[in-house]
Formats: sequence, C-alpha cells, structure tokens
Amino acid sequence: DARVTQTPRHKVTEMGQEVTMRCQPILGHNTVFWYRQTMMQGLELLAYFRNRAPLDDSGMPKDRFSAEMPDATLATLKIQPSEPRDSAVYFCASGSGRLADYEQYFGPGTRLTVT
Amino acid sequence: GQNIDQPTEMTATEGAIVQINCTYQTSGFNGLFWYQQHAGEAPTFLSYNVLDGLEEKGRFSSFLSRSKGYSYLLLKELQMKDSASYLCAVRVIISSGSARQLTFGSGTQLTVLP
Repeated sequence: DARVTQTPRHKVTEMGQEVTMRCQPILGHNTVFWYRQTMMQGLELLAYFRNRAPLDDSGMPKDRFSAEMPDATLATLKIQPSEPRDSAVYFCASGSGRLADYEQYFGPGTRLTVT
Repeated sequence: GQNIDQPTEMTATEGAIVQINCTYQTSGFNGLFWYQQHAGEAPTFLSYNVLDGLEEKGRFSSFLSRSKGYSYLLLKELQMKDSASYLCAVRVIISSGSARQLTFGSGTQLTVLP
C-alpha cells in the first residue's frame, strides 16, 4: 500500500527554534508539493518540485522557510527561526509525471505548534 | 490572484443528493479540482475538470463551466461517511506555461444527518 509518509506527525517547539519536517513521496513519484493548512487561511501551496527541481515556491516566506529535495526519496521543509504564526498543519503531497498535474496523494501531515 | 468562493456549510440527509457549488475568478485557468477532507485527516482527490461538462465517478460527479467560472460537486445517495469538508481548488499557469499553481477555496463543511 503505497503512501506518502511525513515525520514528525506532531511537533511542539518554542519560538525561535529551528523546525525540520520530512516527507517521503510515494516511490516513483517525481513531483512533490508542500502545503500549509490553518483555520484562517485554509490550504495554501508553499512550494513544489518536479524531478527534485523547485518549480514554484512563490507561496513560501523566503526569509525563514526553505524547501529542498536532497534525493528523490526525501523532501524537507525547514523553518528557521520559527514563530507562533507558523503554527499549522503542513502537508506533503506527491504525484507522478503529468498525472501529478491533477492527482496528488497527500501525506498525513505534520501538526506544528510554536509557542 | 485567484478568488474562489464556496459555501461554508451545508447539511443534508442520508440517502439524499447534495450539490456543492464553487465559483472562481482567475486568469490562466488550467483546471478545477475537488478534494474531500475528513476532520483531522489529509485531503483526498475526488475529481478534476479542465473542459466544460460533467465528469461522473460513482456517486460523485463534478461539473465545470469555464465561461461562467463555475463548478459544482454532486454527491448522490449520501452516506454518513460523506460528512467532511469539500475543497474546490483551481489551477492556473503562472509563467510561460512552465509551472502551475493550485489555489484552494476555504472548503464546504458537509454534515450528513441520519
């Protein structure tokens, strides 16, 4: 049963600390998306990669957020330094080739709380 | 930017039919998606429309009218497990056709009553 996995599932940290979230896309999928969901803003696209290259990160605050794909099986989203307004659920999703343009498989999310 | 509107909440009865509407205003339109999200879970893909018309998939159907900037998701034979948030999302081409951006509406919380 192929699934997107994300770690950690929950993270509580203090303001100013660095947070790293990890995502393992479904094996063979070459497109990876990072989303953030809050009650106020809903689901927002932060960044996405195809074949490990960033295609769009316009939704991501550049001063504190960074997203990378060190290899095809790992995507990371880092926040440094974290702030209380970063508290949200962060979802990773993956897709395959052109199908990724319309069918994305979401991971279970990382629930981040910054105090 | 994109503007996507959908009702905040809807209620329907088990076994009934419900239609969830979504209107959008955008440039560079390149597809409309519907996702289902149960509380505390990740969104799951339901449907995709890029051309006008109706796409049917079991109990769920999705309709698109590009000229009207309008879509709806139709759920038939409602079941209790259909209680969830339904997210409408629009994809646009953002630069030279080389990248696409997905913008989600705020979601419609559907409650199915026995």
